[in-house]
Amino acid sequence: EPEVTQTPSHQVTQMGQEVILRCVPISNHLYFYWYRQILGQKVEFLVSFYNNEISEKSEIFDDQFSVERPDGSNFTLKIRSTKLEDSAMYFCASSEVLGQQETQYFGPGTRLLVL
Amino acid sequence: AQSVTQLGSHVSVSEGALVLLRCNYSSSVPPYLFWYVQYPNQGLQLLLKYTSAATLVKGINGFEAEFKKSETSFHLTKPSAHMRDAAEYFCAVSNYGGATNKLIFGTGTLLAVQP
Repeated sequence: EPEVTQTPSHQVTQMGQEVILRCVPISNHLYFYWYRQILGQKVEFLVSFYNNEISEKSEIFDDQFSVERPDGSNFTLKIRSTKLEDSAMYFCASSEVLGQQETQYFGPGTRLLVL
Repeated sequence: AQSVTQLGSHVSVSEGALVLLRCNYSSSVPPYLFWYVQYPNQGLQLLLKYTSAATLVKGINGFEAEFKKSETSFHLTKPSAHMRDAAEYFCAVSNYGGATNKLIFGTGTLLAVQP
């Protein structure tokens, strides 16, 4: 069964460093999402992406964050200068369609720890 | 604004007992509601979803949920718990009115199943 994959599974970085989290969505999917979950808190929407553009972003997704689909298969989330509060589990999700028929399929997540 | 509230961050049941995980929603438009499950070290997996068709929704692994508009609830049930059901369960709400279908999650309920 097709699945969303994410790399790395764990990432430790120093505050101020740039990190890139990678996701490979399901191959025929067109809509892509990033969510994050700070330990002990809710899963929160960060950004959605369609047709090489951001469709919607949350207030969390400030200028330190960016997304791109560099090669038609990968979908990346970049944090330019990490802060301690960026420590969280980051989930990528993809879906084939919008509307009632949509199901978002999630990857296993990348646990980011900023020291 | 849409939101979901999950009552009980931890629920413990005996194997074979009824599972009841509670979710209440708030939405100014007809909601679409979801239950996702997260097994240890895995991504979020869709259990079931309500998209304005039948109010009683059957999902995978013997779970079902009933949409009750009068109570703004979408509780998840399973008649007989199995050890493999031990996981974290997330309720989520979305509306398909915009350019994307971002999911808004509850805080999750960790289900423990005792032998």
